[in-house]
Amino acid sequence: GAGVSQSPSNKVTEKGKDVELRCDPISGHTALYWYRQSLGQGLEFLIYFQGNSAPDKSGLPSDRFSAERTGGSVSTLTIQRTQQEDSAVYLCASSLGVGRELFFGEGSRLTVL
Amino acid sequence: TQLLEQSPQFLSIQEGENLTVYCNSSSVFSSLQWYRQEPGEGPVLLVTVVTGGEVKKLKRLTFQFGDARKDSSLHITAAQPGDTGLYLCADTGGGNKLTFGTGTQLKVEL
Repeated sequence: GAGVSQSPSNKVTEKGKDVELRCDPISGHTALYWYRQSLGQGLEFLIYFQGNSAPDKSGLPSDRFSAERTGGSVSTLTIQRTQQEDSAVYLCASSLGVGRELFFGEGSRLTVL
Repeated sequence: TQLLEQSPQFLSIQEGENLTVYCNSSSVFSSLQWYRQEPGEGPVLLVTVVTGGEVKKLKRLTFQFGDARKDSSLHITAAQPGDTGLYLCADTGGGNKLTFGTGTQLKVEL
């Protein structure tokens, strides 16, 4: 597809389980971002990938959160031992580089029971 | 740490009314972007402003960047139900990331 694709669109899990969220960016976009959005709120930065550079992980809230980007394309955000406060919409975005327009996916809504 | 505050937090108006929403920063913006997010969707870029005092228009939307580049406003003329959404401002100067504001939730009713 032409846009950023995220899966799953909805995920309900039990507290303590691990979850994986996937992002397929726009082809040719070297920058990839993960943000978290609580209900009706602004976006909280989590992690940023740019080409082959080391990722900027400064926004990850705890060591239960990790992300990887394979082959400079698809990215996976992993949350281990989920907690109820992890419930949010996780948004992925890609761009042609720093300071350029971000193109967002529709998000993955995570609910931790 | 830069703080971007948007006001009002919520706004509910009737179709045809005018409105203005604001974005204020605790520090000078590198450049500022405005996004609109509709329910169930990701944010979509509306405009980027770079120069202090800059004014940009996008149909019924007018964006103004403060002279000191610490604030911005978005004015909508004759609002329509299709304008409903979450309006977010963002600073591009945070190194590797955009720093987003707290958002203004706008609802335009018939």
